[in-house]
Amino acid sequence: ELKVEQNPLFLSMQEGKNYTIYCNYSTTSDRLYWYRQDPGKSLESLFVLLSNGAVKQEGRLMASLDTKARLSTLHITAAVHDLSATYFCAVNFGNEKLTFGTGTRLTIIP
Amino acid sequence: GAGVSQSPSNKVTEKGKDVELRCDPISGHTALYWYRQSLGQGLEFLIYFQGNSAPDKSGLPSDRFSAERTGGSVSTLTIQRTQQEDSAVYLCASSFWTGAKTYEQYFGPGTRLTVT
Repeated sequence: ELKVEQNPLFLSMQEGKNYTIYCNYSTTSDRLYWYRQDPGKSLESLFVLLSNGAVKQEGRLMASLDTKARLSTLHITAAVHDLSATYFCAVNFGNEKLTFGTGTRLTIIP
Repeated sequence: GAGVSQSPSNKVTEKGKDVELRCDPISGHTALYWYRQSLGQGLEFLIYFQGNSAPDKSGLPSDRFSAERTGGSVSTLTIQRTQQEDSAVYLCASSFWTGAKTYEQYFGPGTRLTVT
């Protein structure tokens, strides 16, 4: 079965702290994506990870991919309120349709 | 440039009625996708069109759901005899496909469907 699991589902963190969201997937994939969704809004593409060891950074967010462990991480550094949103990872399992994780609802507390 | 657009943004319909949801992909994008987002099921793939190939309909939940893509651009998702469990946000996405590689999917704002 093709599965994508994210944890945690909910995350409250204080401003200035660091934290990591984890995304595990069940079988070989050639592409992994991270998306952000604000309440009532659509999905905004954050990162595309294509190969083992890929690391991408944008501002306070950094995503990495370990294809051998079938694991991607989204690391948040020195969180700020603007980062409050729901974050999804999504995977292509050898075809073009995306299988999404459950999402992580991130709340940054002042 | 313009992104993916969807209409209507909100649709309230009575159980048993048919609805049509429209998607305009990004100009030049050859692949188009429909997904559904609901509280109980999360984000689910519905159907995918790529170039002139037959669509991948493997995610459609029942034969009440159908979609077409005219002229390789605009797509319409039709739900017949709507049920309350069809209530969800329907998201359309498009991407550029070279024949060897598909690039990332860009999502539209969605259509929120409420079946009463």
